[in-house]
Amino acid sequence: SQTIHQWPATLVQPVGSPLSLECTVEGTSNPNLYWYRQAAGRGLQLLFYSVGIGQISSEVPQNLSASRPQDRQFILSSKKLLLSDSGFYLCAWSANTEAFFGQGTRLTVV
Amino acid sequence: EDKVVQSPLSLVVHEGDTVTLNCSYEVTNFRSLLWYKQEKKAPTFLFMLTSSGIEKKSGRLSSILDKKELFSILNITATQTGDSAIYLCAGRTGANSKLTFGKGITLSVRP
Repeated sequence: SQTIHQWPATLVQPVGSPLSLECTVEGTSNPNLYWYRQAAGRGLQLLFYSVGIGQISSEVPQNLSASRPQDRQFILSSKKLLLSDSGFYLCAWSANTEAFFGQGTRLTVV
Repeated sequence: EDKVVQSPLSLVVHEGDTVTLNCSYEVTNFRSLLWYKQEKKAPTFLFMLTSSGIEKKSGRLSSILDKKELFSILNITATQTGDSAIYLCAGRTGANSKLTFGKGITLSVRP
């Protein structure tokens, strides 16, 4: 069966520090991968999605970047965090049916 | 730009009430409409709709898609406090599988 791992669960980082959130999927190959951010109690804002290794589509110009170095690995990064980067980050995978989500990372930038 | 709009943004009902949650979409090369329930962390999948007029049902929840008018509804009958959550809908494009979510509907069911 397929599983998705996302870590860390929580993170507190100072303004200006770098960020790296990792997401890996097991039990499937060539999944579509997504990074979303969710403001408190609100919907999911699509940040990046990927349909294959090295293929990244960005939805919102911002202080973040994404990479897919391996088929089932998706990384969200920033060189210098801003206060506005705080939020709940969710990774998801899909095989053209429903999407399955990781447990999320609560990022607080202080 | 793909867009998914949900309404109302929040809703408070009492146990036993029936609620209807709305989702309209403008999605390029539309393929499917998905509904999720989010209680704490990861959203959990409820329904995927691809054809107009065919109701999908799971217990007290049901959903239907209208591809002509570009909307979907999620109905919950005989609501329970455990139905309190954020309900999200998403439109999927066929070309690249991009999933665009709406802002979500916060449902509160009071005893």
